[in-house]
Amino acid sequence: DIQMTQSPSSLSASVGDRVTITCRATQDISNYLAWFQQKPGKAPKSLIYAASSLQSGVPSKFSGSGSGTDFTLTISSLQPEDFATYYCQQYNSYPLTFGGGTKVEVK
Amino acid sequence: QVQLVQSGAEVKKPGASVKVSCKASTYTFSSSGISWVRQAPGQGLEWMGWINAYNGERSYAQKFKGRVTMTTDTSTSTAYMELRSLRSDDTAIYYCATEGKSLTDVWGQGTTVTVSS
Repeated sequence: DIQMTQSPSSLSASVGDRVTITCRATQDISNYLAWFQQKPGKAPKSLIYAASSLQSGVPSKFSGSGSGTDFTLTISSLQPEDFATYYCQQYNSYPLTFGGGTKVEVK
Repeated sequence: QVQLVQSGAEVKKPGASVKVSCKASTYTFSSSGISWVRQAPGQGLEWMGWINAYNGERSYAQKFKGRVTMTTDTSTSTAYMELRSLRSDDTAIYYCATEGKSLTDVWGQGTTVTVSS
C-alpha cells in the first residue's frame, strides 16, 4: 500500500497568512493526488485534483503543486472560513490512502 | 449538481451488522464508481472500498475483506455498504463518495454508526 505522510499535523496561523502543507507518498503516484478540506461535523470537500487542478467553485487562493512523491497545498491568504483540517489522498492505485491530516488553527 | 444522500444514524450491538445506504441524484449513477470512507471519532479518513455501479466490480481494503459487502441498485441509484461482526472500534462516521475529476469528488453527508453494548 502507498503511505501518505502529511506535515505538519497542525499549525497555527493568522488571517492573511500564507500557509503551506506538504504531503509525501512512499512511491511515485504521478499526479494522482487530491486535497480535501474538512470542517467540524461536515463531510470532506474536494479542493484539488490531479495535484494542481482546482475543483469547480474552489477559490483561487488555494493552489496545489508537485508530482511523483512530493506535493504541496498552499493557501495564499488565510481567511476565517479556511480554518479547518486538510487531507491529501492518493488515487494512483487501490487501496486509496489519505494523509493523516493537517489542522489549521487560529493563532 | 451531483448529490449523495445517506441513510440515518444507527446504533448497533457488538457482533451485529449494519447496512448504510447512499442515494445518488442528478447524475448517471450507473456509469460511476462509489467509494466508502470512514472516520472514527477524532481520527482521520480511512478508505474501505469501491464499487463500480455499472458492472459491480469491487475493490475492498484488506482490513475489511470478509466483513464488508458493497452493492448497488441501479434502478434506484442507490449504493449500499454492509459491515458485519461489528466491534466497538467500528464506531465511526461512514461516508460514500463518487467519482468526478478524481475518485472521491462528491461526498454524502455521512452516517454515524455507534457500536455499543
